[in-house]
Amino acid sequence: DTGVSQDPRHKITKRGQNVTFRCDPISEHNRLYWYRQTLGQGPEFLTYFQNEAQLEKSRLLSDRFSAERPKGSFSTLEIQRTEQGDSAMYLCASSFGGASYEQYFGPGTRLTVT
Amino acid sequence: AQTVTQSQPEMSVQEAETVTLSCTYDTSESDYYLFWYKQPPSRQMILVIRQEAYKQQNATENRFSVNFQKAAKSFSLKISDSQLGDAAMYFCAYGGGGADGLTFGKGTHLIIQP
Repeated sequence: DTGVSQDPRHKITKRGQNVTFRCDPISEHNRLYWYRQTLGQGPEFLTYFQNEAQLEKSRLLSDRFSAERPKGSFSTLEIQRTEQGDSAMYLCASSFGGASYEQYFGPGTRLTVT
Repeated sequence: AQTVTQSQPEMSVQEAETVTLSCTYDTSESDYYLFWYKQPPSRQMILVIRQEAYKQQNATENRFSVNFQKAAKSFSLKISDSQLGDAAMYFCAYGGGGADGLTFGKGTHLIIQP
C-alpha cells in the first residue's frame, strides 16, 4: 500500500463552477477525514466518515459542500458554485480508528478559484 | 471548543543544535490526545510524535521529545541534534473530547541553518 492518494493534485476553476475531488485512503483504514488548509494556517477539519457513514461535519462545511464515501472505500468532496474564498489546499487523511489513532495524510488537492 | 495556539510563526536553529517549539491548547476535557505533525515543503504531513493526556510520562521518538504540562495546557516539542531534513512546518494538534477531527495550530516554520 502506497498510502493515501488524492486526485487531482491541482485544480484551477472559474468562480461558479462545480469541482469534485477524490481521496483513496489506506485500504484497511475505516476512518476518512477531510480538512481544508489555507495559506499560513493549519488544517481545519471539515468532515469525517467511519466506513460509509458520515459522522461529523464542521460548521465550515457549507451547503455548497458535499462529501460521500460509497461502500466505505474512496471518498469524494464536491464543491458547488465555487467562490474565491474556496481557494485552499484540501487534505484527506485516513486512520484505523478514533481520536487516539495516527491520521495518515494525502498530498492534498490545491484548488484555485479565479 | 478546543483551541490550539502556536506562538512562534518561525524558528531558526543551527544544524546539530537543539530547538524547542511551543504549543498551548485550551480544553475542558480530561481525556484527549496531542500530536506534533511535520509538513515538509510540497510533501505530505506526517506524524512526529503523540502524547496521551492520561500519561504523565513525556513521549519520546528518537531525537524528538515533548514536554507535556497538563495543568498548564502546554505541549512543547524538542528536537535534538537538528538535521537539515528537519526543516518543515510543524503543527501541533489536539484530538479527542468527543470530536474525531483534529484541531491544529497555525504552525511553526522551522529553518535549519547549515
